[in-house]
Amino acid sequence: GQNIDQPTEMTATEGAIVQINCTYQTSGFNGLFWYQQHAGEAPTFLSYNVLDGLEEKGRFSSFLSRSKGYSYLLLKELQMKDSASYLCAVLYNTDKLIFGTGTRLQVFP
Amino acid sequence: DAEITQSPRHKITETGRQVTLACHQTWNHNNMFWYRQDLGHGLRLIHYSYGVQDTNKGEVSDGYSVSRSNTEDLPLTLESAASSQTSVYFCASSEGQGPNEQFFGPGTRLTVL
Repeated sequence: GQNIDQPTEMTATEGAIVQINCTYQTSGFNGLFWYQQHAGEAPTFLSYNVLDGLEEKGRFSSFLSRSKGYSYLLLKELQMKDSASYLCAVLYNTDKLIFGTGTRLQVFP
Repeated sequence: DAEITQSPRHKITETGRQVTLACHQTWNHNNMFWYRQDLGHGLRLIHYSYGVQDTNKGEVSDGYSVSRSNTEDLPLTLESAASSQTSVYFCASSEGQGPNEQFFGPGTRLTVL
């Protein structure tokens, strides 16, 4: 079966660093996406990993270990606008995504 | 600019009625997807299409249907709305074949009374 786990909620302080973990058990793995979703809005793309290692994009980085079925999203220099849900999604069968339930991040001043 | 739109943004209907949610994209993407999002479940795939005249069932397709008569549109129909179908519905599109990001529409909040 397909299963993706990520923490339900996290809190952090403005300016800090936070790591959101995602573990998965899926068949037909073709990569892992991270999306950001602000309350009442559509998900928007943050990152994609298919090879092991770290992908850095500005304040956001994403890491993947295929052998461990593990990924994390690292957010640096947190800002209030980073308060959102972060969705981990595994790509399987080339074009389809299966999503975790999302991690709601609250950033406090 | 290319975009993906959904209508209506909010809909209230009664149990047993047929409801159609519209999705229109101007990206010229071959792939289109419908998801529902509920607390505790995340986004779940309802139906998807890889091109005109192609439709496929996702993990939660019971009670829903789609049709793809052109590249731009993938309407989602609830044949006989049930209270369990109260949810937020997102349409998404992506380029064909390969690990391409999906672009999401703004969502439709549907309430079935």
